Amino acid sequence: ELKVEQNPLFLSMQEGKNYTIYCNYSTTSDRLYWYRQDPGKSLESLFVLLSNGAVKQEGRLMASLDTKARLSTLHITAAVHDLSATYFCAVLKTSGSRLTFGEGTQLTVNP
Amino acid sequence: KAGVTQTPRYLIKTRGQQVTLSCSPISGHRSVSWYQQTPGQGLQFLFEYFSETQRNKGNFPGRFSGRQFSNSRSEMNVSTLELGDSALYLCASSLASGTSSGNTIYFGEGSWLTVV
Repeated sequence: ELKVEQNPLFLSMQEGKNYTIYCNYSTTSDRLYWYRQDPGKSLESLFVLLSNGAVKQEGRLMASLDTKARLSTLHITAAVHDLSATYFCAVLKTSGSRLTFGEGTQLTVNP
Repeated sequence: KAGVTQTPRYLIKTRGQQVTLSCSPISGHRSVSWYQQTPGQGLQFLFEYFSETQRNKGNFPGRFSGRQFSNSRSEMNVSTLELGDSALYLCASSLASGTSSGNTIYFGEGSWLTVV
């Protein structure tokens, strides 16, 4: 059974600081997704990582994928309050479109 | 283009009743998946439909069922509601199914179900 683990689960950081969220998964997969969820809202797609070594950046967020280590990271650079949200990683099974999600990382950026 | 549309957005039901939730995927998308989100269990996969066929099913009891129509719209039904069914039900839409597509999977705003 595919398992996806994120850490940390809770992250409180100061504006302007950098931090990384880690996403480990248990079995081989070549597709990893990062989503953002604001309270009471749906999931907003951030990144789709398709292959080993993939790196994508959007604004202050950068995601990478190491399929050999079964690890993805979401790096936050110079955090701002607007980044406060819950971030989920999800792994796609090789058949179908079934996503297995991590527990989510609740990020709070303090002024 | 229009996103994934889910209806109703909010509903309250009584234990023992049944509920039907609807999802209209992004135009041209043929794969629709359903997820349940609760504070205790997180995001859990319910089922996936592609071209009117169920391709995957999660570990949920038979009270949870779904279907997909020829226009790719999908419905999910929960019968004999229990208090534990209270959750946010999310529909996801993608162009195709499987890793060969490499497509983004888009989520709707969700249907908030409260069972009392």
